[in-house]
Amino acid sequence: DQQVKQNSPSLSVQEGRISILNCDYTNSMFDYFLWYKKYPAEGPTFLISISSIKDKNEDGRFTVFLNKSAKHLSLHIVPSQPGDSAVYFCAASPIQGAQKLVFGQGTRLTINP
Amino acid sequence: DVKVTQSSRYLVKRTGEKVFLECVQDMDHENMFWYRQDPGLGLRLIYFSYDVKMKEKGDIPEGYSVSREKKERFSLILESASTNQTSMYLCASSLGQNNEKLFFGSGTQLSVL
Repeated sequence: DQQVKQNSPSLSVQEGRISILNCDYTNSMFDYFLWYKKYPAEGPTFLISISSIKDKNEDGRFTVFLNKSAKHLSLHIVPSQPGDSAVYFCAASPIQGAQKLVFGQGTRLTINP
Repeated sequence: DVKVTQSSRYLVKRTGEKVFLECVQDMDHENMFWYRQDPGLGLRLIYFSYDVKMKEKGDIPEGYSVSREKKERFSLILESASTNQTSMYLCASSLGQNNEKLFFGSGTQLSVL
């Protein structure tokens, strides 16, 4: 049973436009959410996180939005750059600092020049 | 920079062989993790360890075991490799206080023939 779902396996966006990656979860106990980014032949790297006490967290060009009632979060990248082309994983945890993360399937983002 | 090193980038093994995947981290992290990444399934946790000689099962521990004799080293063992264990294996570590700061190795692509 996939508790964290990324329903779009891939997304293609033009350079300079906004990229929106979506993630849904089913477990209402999840309280802390993270996004990781993965380039080919490299391990995932932490990008941004948000706890359930917030509905938005921003870091430069990256913003994560959380809608707890809909059990939905999204990652916005503005403006998109070619170096953003990667696979993005959404992850969730019951509390901040918990030992285990549950990851989504990943979305491959391609930024076209 | 934190470095998580996985001993092999690619491995090809035969069904029934015993396989060792090695992982070393150089930042004195408490927690270490083994994930596998499969298309359409994302990252799934196999085992993790929060201290030397301690281990906890993740979501898919069947067919695997682990060893953590030293703080910096976490080994994943496939006692008798099977074709359904063909996958990308990712090792990660974290400080132990904030789980979001998972640092991943580059991964080992294991093919079991």
